Amino acid sequence: SQTIHQWPATLVQPVGSPLSLECTVEGTSNPNLYWYRQAAGRGLQLLFYSVGIGQISSEVPQNLSASRPQDRQFILSSKKLLLSDSGFYLCAGNKARSSGANVLTFGAGSRLTVL
Amino acid sequence: DQQVKQNSPSLSVQEGRISILNCDYTNSMFDYFLWYKKYPAEGPTFLISISSIKDKNEDGRFTVFLNKSAKHLSLHIVPSQPGDSAVYFCVGGEIQGAQKLVFGQGTRLTINP
Repeated sequence: SQTIHQWPATLVQPVGSPLSLECTVEGTSNPNLYWYRQAAGRGLQLLFYSVGIGQISSEVPQNLSASRPQDRQFILSSKKLLLSDSGFYLCAGNKARSSGANVLTFGAGSRLTVL
Repeated sequence: DQQVKQNSPSLSVQEGRISILNCDYTNSMFDYFLWYKKYPAEGPTFLISISSIKDKNEDGRFTVFLNKSAKHLSLHIVPSQPGDSAVYFCVGGEIQGAQKLVFGQGTRLTINP
């Protein structure tokens, strides 16, 4: 079965500092990978998705970037954090289909607080 | 543009009773819908799905109903248990392309003993 590992689990960073959140996948080859953000009191917003190594699609203009250096590795980065980057970041990968549905497996999340 | 809307941010239900969580959507291209459950400080976990060509799918205590003409779906939990207390996300998806999922804002369900 597919497992998504994310780290760090919690991060407190000053405004203007860089960011790197890492996500690795176990149990699946060539998965689609996704970065979501959950801001306080809001739903999950898709930030980036990747269908393969080096292939990144951005969903919303923002201060963040993503990279996929290996099949099972997905990294979320920023060169200079803003206060508005605070939130709960979730990495997800797709699993086997359930009646055609793309059932995603999520990691445990990374809580980022920018001060 | 909020393609998937969960208009009730919270819901409180007595243990043993039925919980009904509602969801509306605007994108008629969705091929399927999912419900995810999320505990605090954890990632969401998949609960149940329904294809857009069906009007009902049942799995144990969980049943999802889809009314395509009204662009409305609902999740029924019966009987409700304290462990069901969580945030529930309604999700729409398309089979084509990268299969991006669109999440609603979530409804916080609290089951009272």
